[in-house]
Amino acid sequence: RKEVEQDPGPFNVPEGATVAFNCTYSNSASQSFFWYRQDCRKEPKLLMSVYSSGNEDGRFTAQLNRASQYISLLIRDSKLSDSATYLCVVNLGDRDDKIIFGKGTRLHILP
Amino acid sequence: NAGVTQTPKFQVLKTGQSMTLQCAQDMNHEYMSWYRQDPGMGLRLIHYSVGAGITDQGEVPNGYNVSRSTTEDFPLRLLSAAPSQTSVYFCASRKSRQGFPYEQYFGPGTRLTVT
Repeated sequence: RKEVEQDPGPFNVPEGATVAFNCTYSNSASQSFFWYRQDCRKEPKLLMSVYSSGNEDGRFTAQLNRASQYISLLIRDSKLSDSATYLCVVNLGDRDDKIIFGKGTRLHILP
Repeated sequence: NAGVTQTPKFQVLKTGQSMTLQCAQDMNHEYMSWYRQDPGMGLRLIHYSVGAGITDQGEVPNGYNVSRSTTEDFPLRLLSAAPSQTSVYFCASRKSRQGFPYEQYFGPGTRLTVT
């Protein structure tokens, strides 16, 4: 199993719809999880951290499932501006320097 | 704050040439790192530093050198450029605490082509 795995997509979703994607991780000792957003030809930027209790920020909800070792990102009422690549980021174990980026899931919001 | 800055934004090199990609941050972050991003490969860690004077190798260090003489600067040197090093290079920085990776801030990237 790869350390961090994401469905590359693309997910083609009509504007206003709800879309969700998951990211699986292999190291059960991982402690910190993040979702980053990357627009075409731009640098990645933090979208949200993922806490054990889940995290909601407006239309975005992130969840952690430790038993099945995955995190999820739910986008409600999707906007055209949500079109981007979403990167899952996981730290491996208790080391501060072992951070792994997933390859990303591409999302296209269709008008 | 300027955040993380990188220069140059674009560069074309011939095979065998050397050059240095510059990275600087003004957030007093201890941790800095260099990634390369290739289509279908995601972000791959080249080298990183947990503080001035300390560097370590990441996943794909061959062909690259780094140094960290100050907290602010973390240059990446290509020793003898090869076409396989054609990529987009991102520098990133963050605060550091053992076992807890804080949010990373990325520079705008350097697009390098080696012919």
